[in-house]
Amino acid sequence: SQQGEEDPQALSIQEGENATMNCSYKTSINNLQWYRQNSGRGLVHLILIRSNEREKHSGRLRVTLDTSKKSSSLLITASRAADTASYFCATAGRWGAQKLVFGQGTRLTINP
Amino acid sequence: DAGVIQSPRHEVTEMGQEVTLRCKPISGHNSLFWYRQTMMRGLELLIYFNNNVPIDDSGMPEDRFSAKMPNASFSTLKIQPSEPRDSAVYFCASSQSRDRGLYEQYFGPGTRLTVT
Repeated sequence: SQQGEEDPQALSIQEGENATMNCSYKTSINNLQWYRQNSGRGLVHLILIRSNEREKHSGRLRVTLDTSKKSSSLLITASRAADTASYFCATAGRWGAQKLVFGQGTRLTINP
Repeated sequence: DAGVIQSPRHEVTEMGQEVTLRCKPISGHNSLFWYRQTMMRGLELLIYFNNNVPIDDSGMPEDRFSAKMPNASFSTLKIQPSEPRDSAVYFCASSQSRDRGLYEQYFGPGTRLTVT
């Protein structure tokens, strides 16, 4: 299975601090995506990084990808209470990029 | 754009009853996905369609589950008969290929199903 596995499962930090979440996967990928899910809501796409990219930024988000280690990290800088949510990585296989396989997610809590 | 629309948002039914969940994808998207989310198993892909054709239904748990996509703007997921272990949040998502097979998915708000 190429399922992504997030680490840690839960993270609690103070507002203003940076939050880092990690994702590992098992097989070759076309791309890796990060999603956010607020409680009781659907998932929202945050950022997509291609297999030939090493780093990508979007606002306060920074994603890195290390295909040699089959891992990715999501960094949220200057966290806000509104960032409280679950964050999921999802991998798109090299030969079936439509189908995403989601990890179990990291539950992030930002304390005011 | 209204986003992906799902109905109903909540469904409570008794074991043995038929349940039908509905989804309207984003206009112009050609792929549609049905997921199930539970605390124990996380987010599982049940089935996905490409241009209204089922491509991969390997995640459909049993014959009690069926899905259809009669046209580009509508899909249904049916459970017949329903069982308490089917209780979960069911999400529909849609996507459109951008460049060299890059697909980001847009999720609906989900249907929370409770089977008693």
